[in-house]
Amino acid sequence: DIQMTQSPSSLSASVGDRVTITCRASQSVLTYLNWYQHKPGKAPNLLISSASTLQSGVPSRFSGSGSGTDFSLTISSLQPEDFATYYCQQGYSSPFTFGPGTKVVIK
Amino acid sequence: QVELVESGGGVVQPGGSLRLSCAASGFTFRNYGMHWVRQAPGKGLEWVAVIRYDGSIKYYADSVKGRFTISRDNSKNMLYVQMNSLRAEDTAVYYCAKDWRVLAAAIRAVIDFWGQGTLVTVSS
Repeated sequence: DIQMTQSPSSLSASVGDRVTITCRASQSVLTYLNWYQHKPGKAPNLLISSASTLQSGVPSRFSGSGSGTDFSLTISSLQPEDFATYYCQQGYSSPFTFGPGTKVVIK
Repeated sequence: QVELVESGGGVVQPGGSLRLSCAASGFTFRNYGMHWVRQAPGKGLEWVAVIRYDGSIKYYADSVKGRFTISRDNSKNMLYVQMNSLRAEDTAVYYCAKDWRVLAAAIRAVIDFWGQGTLVTVSS
């Protein structure tokens, strides 16, 4: 099975900050890597698929990069509505494991 | 618009069984793979199972393999998961989720829509 790790596990940031979250797979997943945003009590929201494809309706301040085993999600200018937990997920092979999540909190 | 509505959650004793259902609407259900994903209290997301658009291929997380069975009824736009031999660690909110790719022969995972979830509590 492919194991996913994320760093950091949590971060404290201010509105307007640039934030980068990294995700690493235990073996290559090519570019089958998705990023989700999850807020308490709500359904998760797909932000980015195929490592770097921004989903329709997702603000352009979100971007993704990487391939193989190393990936990153960047928020160029953090907004109040971006405080949430972010998960990566490998979509390459079953079981389609999620990373442990990165919680973004207000500084 | 896409809507996924889960039902069937509740409290069940360890060793018991439960069947969750998911009613899908707003898209051509028979053309898309479907997933179950869960989140235990205070924990992260855990992928549980996937079923191909035609029901011919099913995959499971190791933690539920042999105990859970995913199925679908394309004539009713319904997704199910039969959960047997339930354990305390199965306590979670269970989400029904739609895969992105249409008529996908190979099983990959990109989840573009999620339901609101149904809570399953396994406790004596």
